[in-house]
Amino acid sequence: AQSVTQPDIHITVSEGASLELRCNYSYGATPYLFWYVQSPGQGLQLLLKYFSGDTLVQGIKGFEAEFKRSQSSFNLRKPSVHWSDAAEYFCAVGGTSYDKVIFGPGTSLSVIP
Amino acid sequence: DTAVSQTPKYLVTQMGNDKSIKCEQNLGHDTMYWYKQDSKKFLKIMFSYNNKELIINETVPNRFSPKSPDKAHLNLHINSLELGDSAVYFCASSTRTGSASPLHFGNGTRLTVT
Repeated sequence: AQSVTQPDIHITVSEGASLELRCNYSYGATPYLFWYVQSPGQGLQLLLKYFSGDTLVQGIKGFEAEFKRSQSSFNLRKPSVHWSDAAEYFCAVGGTSYDKVIFGPGTSLSVIP
Repeated sequence: DTAVSQTPKYLVTQMGNDKSIKCEQNLGHDTMYWYKQDSKKFLKIMFSYNNKELIINETVPNRFSPKSPDKAHLNLHINSLELGDSAVYFCASSTRTGSASPLHFGNGTRLTVT
């Protein structure tokens, strides 16, 4: 069965600093991978997705993620964090054998001005 | 121009009551979902419908009954509410079934059972 782990429950960074949020998945074949962001009091919004091809994918709001098959990882990065990036970030995995995505437990990001 | 809208935003009720949450999407999507987010922010799918047909029915108490009158609407009715039902319930939609289609979420309904 597919599964997703996000090792960091909470991360705090200073505004302007770089950011990397970790995501590891378990799935037998090439997965469908997603990152979603949830701002306080809001629903989840898709940041980016990976299905195939170039392993470095660009998303909205200046985010990017890199698929590394050998490490079963799909880490999210941003070179310079803004205060408005403070939110909950969810990694999710799907695949051709599954009819639904599985969400990771989320990483809460705090940004220090 | 809200894409996925759900009402109400907040719902406070007592144990044993029956309540409904409504969801509408104007994206023209074929598939709609209900997710439950617990107090630890963990998200779990409850149901999905594709063009009014039930596709996914996770292990959810039968007190929860979804209903899709058309492919743009998916409602959730909860009977005999319990304290453990307190959570945020999200409606979502996607272009089609399967895990390849990105999800579009509503802003959630925070249900508090006292």
